[in-house]
Amino acid sequence: DTGVSQDPRHKITKRGQNVTFRCDPISEHNRLYWYRQTLGQGPEFLTYFQNEAQLEKSRLLSDRFSAERPKGSFSTLEIQRTEQGDSAMYLCASSLETGQETQYFGPGTRLLVL
Amino acid sequence: AQTVTQSQPEMSVQEAETVTLSCTYDTSESDYYLFWYKQPPSRQMILVIRQEAYKQQNATENRFSVNFQKAAKSFSLKISDSQLGDAAMYFCAYNSDYKLSFGAGTTVTVRA
Repeated sequence: DTGVSQDPRHKITKRGQNVTFRCDPISEHNRLYWYRQTLGQGPEFLTYFQNEAQLEKSRLLSDRFSAERPKGSFSTLEIQRTEQGDSAMYLCASSLETGQETQYFGPGTRLLVL
Repeated sequence: AQTVTQSQPEMSVQEAETVTLSCTYDTSESDYYLFWYKQPPSRQMILVIRQEAYKQQNATENRFSVNFQKAAKSFSLKISDSQLGDAAMYFCAYNSDYKLSFGAGTTVTVRA
């Protein structure tokens, strides 16, 4: 299977702890996106990378959030000092930069902050 | 900012029947893409169908087809011959450059 993968699939943490999620895109895709989805809602854009460059960050991405894609392959999303409001599904997607921007999604990481 | 509106929170359809999901969007762009994604319960989001705004012909994928009305900024999804496996949340999404803007979703239930 060469789809988008994410790890872990589920994470339970206590308020104030730091968490890190990983996303491995489809191998030939040079664009990688992070979205956040709360229960019963559509995903909301957080940030995206073209190769290793982070080109856009949503205002939803507070200073406690940081994302990296150091070698233009996998990406990590870190949340520092987690808050209960951070509880959500974090989705990763990838695409080719061809002008036909179909994004393919991973299974997501479901975060629960207690 | 682009907004995507799905006015039907829930839709129910009898197996083998047809259901149509509505979607409207707001944009000042002339070149963009529209998508329908399906998200089954506790499973990942998968692409159902896509439409390029410059194409007048409506996209079709097997039992799934769209009615794209560019002037009206409307993009509805028709599911024909509904199957139990079609039960899921369906999201309409807009993309003009990089990020997807999603609607709130429509939950489709299929009655056996």
